[in-house]
Amino acid sequence: DAGITQSPRHKVTETGTPVTLRCHQTENHRYMYWYRQDPGHGLRLIHYSYGVKDTDKGEVSDGYSVSRSKTEDFLLTLESATSSQTSVYFCAISESNNQPQHFGDGTRLSIL
Amino acid sequence: QQPVQSPQAVILREGEDAVINCSSSKALYSVHWYRQKHGEAPVFLMILLKGGEQKGHEKISASFNEKKQQSSLYLTASQLSYSGTYFCGTEMSYGGSQGNLIFGKGTKLSVKP
Repeated sequence: DAGITQSPRHKVTETGTPVTLRCHQTENHRYMYWYRQDPGHGLRLIHYSYGVKDTDKGEVSDGYSVSRSKTEDFLLTLESATSSQTSVYFCAISESNNQPQHFGDGTRLSIL
Repeated sequence: QQPVQSPQAVILREGEDAVINCSSSKALYSVHWYRQKHGEAPVFLMILLKGGEQKGHEKISASFNEKKQQSSLYLTASQLSYSGTYFCGTEMSYGGSQGNLIFGKGTKLSVKP
């Protein structure tokens, strides 16, 4: 299995608080992705990175920001969490585009 | 732009076959297939690039018809371990997408003894 670690695995927080999720990889892959998964919607891309300090928006980026200061770490931040951001968040990595994406175990985030 | 998967759900007996379809309204460069078991992460099955190739993975194979903008996943002689939700991820045929995938909503497959 690809070396991907997401932390925390579970988090409960209150509306309006900032939240940061971390994705750490040991594969030295160039591409990293953050998805959210909600019932009835499948996987939706939030942000992605194609290198250190190179990031771009996905289809559901509003309310989220990301940073990648090292190859191995990709952080997802909810600046001011809202209940609509309650979801399961998956990080994925790939060597390059058109290569398989390997997913982390996910973070279950509940915002009350 | 989200691809449409059909059927939404299917129930099989062990040993039966199934086909899952993934259709897009946009021209496609590639299609990825993933399987996700309940409470787990999606797991990569295969990638198909435009050119109509067909790939296989154990008793699971797939085809990609770029003219129809459609891919199909074939599961033959299904096993209990095939149960899960299958997602297709599509990459559009234009530059600048960086290989980003748009996933369908998934097809829930249940294999019964």
